[in-house]
Amino acid sequence: ETGVTQSPTHLIKTRGQQVTLRCSSQSGHNTVSWYQQALGQGPQFIFQYYREEENGRGNFPPRFSGLQFPNYSSELNVNALELDDSALYLCASSLDTSGGETGELFFGEGSRLTVL
Amino acid sequence: AQSVTQLGSHVSVSEGALVLLRCNYSSSVPPYLFWYVQYPNQGLQLLLKYTSAATLVKGINGFEAEFKKSETSFHLTKPSAHMSDAAEYFCAVSARGRRALTFGSGTRLQVQP
Repeated sequence: ETGVTQSPTHLIKTRGQQVTLRCSSQSGHNTVSWYQQALGQGPQFIFQYYREEENGRGNFPPRFSGLQFPNYSSELNVNALELDDSALYLCASSLDTSGGETGELFFGEGSRLTVL
Repeated sequence: AQSVTQLGSHVSVSEGALVLLRCNYSSSVPPYLFWYVQYPNQGLQLLLKYTSAATLVKGINGFEAEFKKSETSFHLTKPSAHMSDAAEYFCAVSARGRRALTFGSGTRLQVQP
């Protein structure tokens, strides 16, 4: 059973650029959540995808967008990067029920984005 | 809305001493509560969770936490610290039936030999 894997592990971008981060969920999981963890802070919920549809969103602007694919892997896209977007981006997968109960989250090691 | 306050951004204990990491929550509905641990350059790992069954929850690596509704607290304890317990610990809350976790700002635990 493979765990949650994220790529790339580190990347550097400049203001105004766009970035795509990728996540492969744990085998058997159908839900992916994305969190932003700024330095010295706890993770903040960006959004969640369940069966390829956005299924909850935190307080992030529309330039943060995502996708979930039929194999339940996911992408996080951020447009028009700002300096404050520098953070560790964590992906977590879970097995959720259609009744809305969230299963245990299994986190990847994250993608560290630096915006210059 | 839910929120979490972790008291003490850094806690230092001696090896073998009691570990106590504090977490207070605010929630307008009955909460689910979690403790996660993050080792350097790694993702978050679930230590334990409270989902309305027993108020004393036992987790991995000898950690446990007690849900106290009257105090809106969910403090994490371990009777005897090991060097390997040095890490960042996060308390989190979610509303039942909701998907997003709200995390505290974390407590870094140092274990002195």
